[in-house]
Amino acid sequence: SAVISQKPSRDICQRGTSLTIQCQVDSQVTMMFWYRQQPGQSLTLIATANQGSEATYESGFVIDKFPISRPNLTFSTLTVSNMSPEDSSIYLCSVRGGTTYEQYFGPGTRLTVT
Amino acid sequence: KQEVTQIPAALSVPEGENLVLNCSFTDSAIYNLQWFRQDPGKGLTSLLLIQSSQREQTSGRLNASLDKSSGRSTLYIAASQPGDSATYLCAGGGGADGLTFGKGTHLIIQP
Repeated sequence: SAVISQKPSRDICQRGTSLTIQCQVDSQVTMMFWYRQQPGQSLTLIATANQGSEATYESGFVIDKFPISRPNLTFSTLTVSNMSPEDSSIYLCSVRGGTTYEQYFGPGTRLTVT
Repeated sequence: KQEVTQIPAALSVPEGENLVLNCSFTDSAIYNLQWFRQDPGKGLTSLLLIQSSQREQTSGRLNASLDKSSGRSTLYIAASQPGDSATYLCAGGGGADGLTFGKGTHLIIQP
């Protein structure tokens, strides 16, 4: 399994600002994923981030709103841009295991937009 | 597009009981199915992964089954304990893709 850390663990932000969330893994991984969990809801995949290529976004999510960087095999960032209260969610990063494709999750970043 | 449904949405049982959580999915071309638990204010802990070629996986008091033909998976918890109280999430995977999650079963084990 992989050990994943995220920063910040939580934040309260004002409408119209942006927040960058960091995800660090203790081993090199090819694929990283970003998910959102809105209040009372389950997890929804935002995008898949591969090192050295553009992130692939799911339907309903766009790069201008959620730009992602993947500079190396152990690190990724997700930015939530021009935030509104509807962006208040928990944002989680995950990585995929080698041969089994088992996914492991970070502790999440709890974002509140006022 | 894969859709995952979990029943029941909530469950409360006395300590010591055996229980079954249900998960159904719409796309039988599932690559694997993964069960997680989520504790309040925390991330997800992977419990069991069943690959498409497998029928079941066991870890301690947990047993998960997968029936691709019927689009169903179950998570069996034996001899439940108060520490098992959490939200249990079922998620279907498409291999290189991310996971599609159900809405979860909120489980309470009464001491």
